Amino acid sequence: SQTIHQWPATLVQPVGSPLSLECTVEGTSNPNLYWYRQAAGRGLQLLFYSVGIGQISSEVPQNLSASRPQDRQFILSSKKLLLSDSGFYLCAWRQAGSNIQYFGAGTRLSVL
Amino acid sequence: DQQVKQNSPSLSVQEGRISILNCDYTNSMFDYFLWYKKYPAEGPTFLISISSIKDKNEDGRFTVFLNKSAKHLSLHIVPSQPGDSAVYFCAASWGADGLTFGKGTHLIIQP
Repeated sequence: SQTIHQWPATLVQPVGSPLSLECTVEGTSNPNLYWYRQAAGRGLQLLFYSVGIGQISSEVPQNLSASRPQDRQFILSSKKLLLSDSGFYLCAWRQAGSNIQYFGAGTRLSVL
Repeated sequence: DQQVKQNSPSLSVQEGRISILNCDYTNSMFDYFLWYKKYPAEGPTFLISISSIKDKNEDGRFTVFLNKSAKHLSLHIVPSQPGDSAVYFCAASWGADGLTFGKGTHLIIQP
């Protein structure tokens, strides 16, 4: 069966520090991968998605970037965090041909 | 511009009764709709979905209805159980892009 792993679960970082969140999917190949953010009191906002290695589409211009160095690995990064980057970050995957996305457990990021 | 709207931030329902969660959308290009259930500090869990070519999909206690002309969908849970207490997100998709989510409805099942 397919599983998605996302870590860390919680992260507290100072303003101006770098960020790296990792997501991996097991039990499938060539999945579509997604990064979402849920800010306090808001719905989930799509940040990036990828349909293959090295292919990244950005939905919202911001202080973050994404990379897909391997088929089942998706990384969210920042060179210098801002206070506004705080939120709950979720990785998701779906198989090509399916409309259903499956989510990881999320990372709670607090930028202080 | 919010393309998927859930106008009720919260809903309280008595255990055993029917819960009805509503969702409206504005983008006529959406062709697939999903409902997710989310507990605090966890990722959303897929619940049920419906294609735009259908008007109803049922899975156990959960039924989703789609009214394309009104751009409206609803999730019915019957009977409601205490474990159903969670935040429910409506989402819509088109093509390979990601999902567009509503802001969620917090469902509270009263004993």
